[in-house]
Amino acid sequence: DAGITQSPRYKITETGRQVTLMCHQTWSHSYMFWYRQDLGHGLRLIYYSAAADITDKGEVPDGYVVSRSKTENFPLTLESATRSQTSVYFCASSRDDYGYTFGSGTRLTVV
Amino acid sequence: QKEVEQNSGPLSVPEGAIASLNCTYSDRVSQSFFWYRQYSGKSPELIMSIYSNGDKEDGRFTAQLNKASQYVSLLIRDSQPSDSATYLCAVKEGGGNKLTFGTGTQLKVEL
Repeated sequence: DAGITQSPRYKITETGRQVTLMCHQTWSHSYMFWYRQDLGHGLRLIYYSAAADITDKGEVPDGYVVSRSKTENFPLTLESATRSQTSVYFCASSRDDYGYTFGSGTRLTVV
Repeated sequence: QKEVEQNSGPLSVPEGAIASLNCTYSDRVSQSFFWYRQYSGKSPELIMSIYSNGDKEDGRFTAQLNKASQYVSLLIRDSQPSDSATYLCAVKEGGGNKLTFGTGTQLKVEL
């Protein structure tokens, strides 16, 4: 199916574990983004990518790693999960100067 | 730090009324402006984009932009209970494709 998909939808992990959130889009959009959404903070940009092999930090990158070896995939890795990283994570993609299309989100709980 | 400000609400309007949602932004070089609707537990959905001063209408939605005042608004005519959601204002700076989001205004349309 065309679109942008995130997996898993829900994840519970323990403090200190590494966890990877997946994002896949089928439109060949050049731009992809990772946001986290927390009550009181709204959507905050973690990392973004303008093309394959090009990534850059957003507003809150600490504790996160991204890669983009293929245009369609943009995984987000939490190297050593902390409770402060409990959040809803949204992946998005876009063409130049268009609004984003968001995935359905991953609700991550770090215990 | 670029900022996008929205009143968190909730904004309550009766069914059939006009709902007016407002947003101000701090970065004068911002070029593109977007409104997203987010239902509880769902991902944001793009409903309007506006790039130049004035009004842009799409069905029951009208976006208004005033760059001199750094102000963008969304009007929803003939509000329906299904319009009850959080509305996110997003602003794109001129030189890149990153969106900065406001924290959203919760709209409640009452029967």
